[in-house]
Amino acid sequence: DQQVKQNSPSLSVQEGRISILNCDYTNSMFDYFLWYKKYPAEGPTFLISISSIKDKNEDGRFTVFLNKSAKHLSLHIVPSQPGDSAVYFCAASASNSGGSNYKLTFGKGTLLTVNP
Amino acid sequence: KAGVTQTPRYLIKTRGQQVTLSCSPISGHRSVSWYQQTPGQGLQFLFEYFSETQRNKGNFPGRFSGRQFSNSRSEMNVSTLELGDSALYLCASRLKQPYGYTFGSGTRLTVV
Repeated sequence: DQQVKQNSPSLSVQEGRISILNCDYTNSMFDYFLWYKKYPAEGPTFLISISSIKDKNEDGRFTVFLNKSAKHLSLHIVPSQPGDSAVYFCAASASNSGGSNYKLTFGKGTLLTVNP
Repeated sequence: KAGVTQTPRYLIKTRGQQVTLSCSPISGHRSVSWYQQTPGQGLQFLFEYFSETQRNKGNFPGRFSGRQFSNSRSEMNVSTLELGDSALYLCASRLKQPYGYTFGSGTRLTVV
């Protein structure tokens, strides 16, 4: 049972345009969400996070939006740069689930390619 | 500030053998988690340790085990290796909840 889903395995955008990466979740206990970026042969790098008490969080070119009623979050990158080309993982955790609150549940990732 | 360090970076083992992977967290981080990354399954949680205690374990067979030492360094062990254990094993540490984990570069294990 995949609790965090990234339905687009890949996304291609032009440099300077907006990249929108989407993520859906099924577990209503999730209350903290994170986005990670991963280059080949490296570990994931933390990008941005959002708590369920918010619906938006911004950090420079990166903005995460959370729609709790739809159990959906998205990562917007504006403007997109060629160096943003990587695999992006959405992850979620539940702070009030006893032992479950210590782990992150990841989606399978979306490969973003930003073309010059 | 040094990041999360995993050793070795690459490892080739034969079916039936066992392997031990090592992780040194960021200084001051007491929580260490392990994840397995495979092309088909993505990143899957193995276990998390805090102050030498395992707090949570993922859905992996008992062949997968781990431990944490008093200096927060952690090891994971896989016994009786199978071909399907070939994966990138990632260690991550964090200072406290709910902040995100910082990941190491991983150990690429190949079982032949």
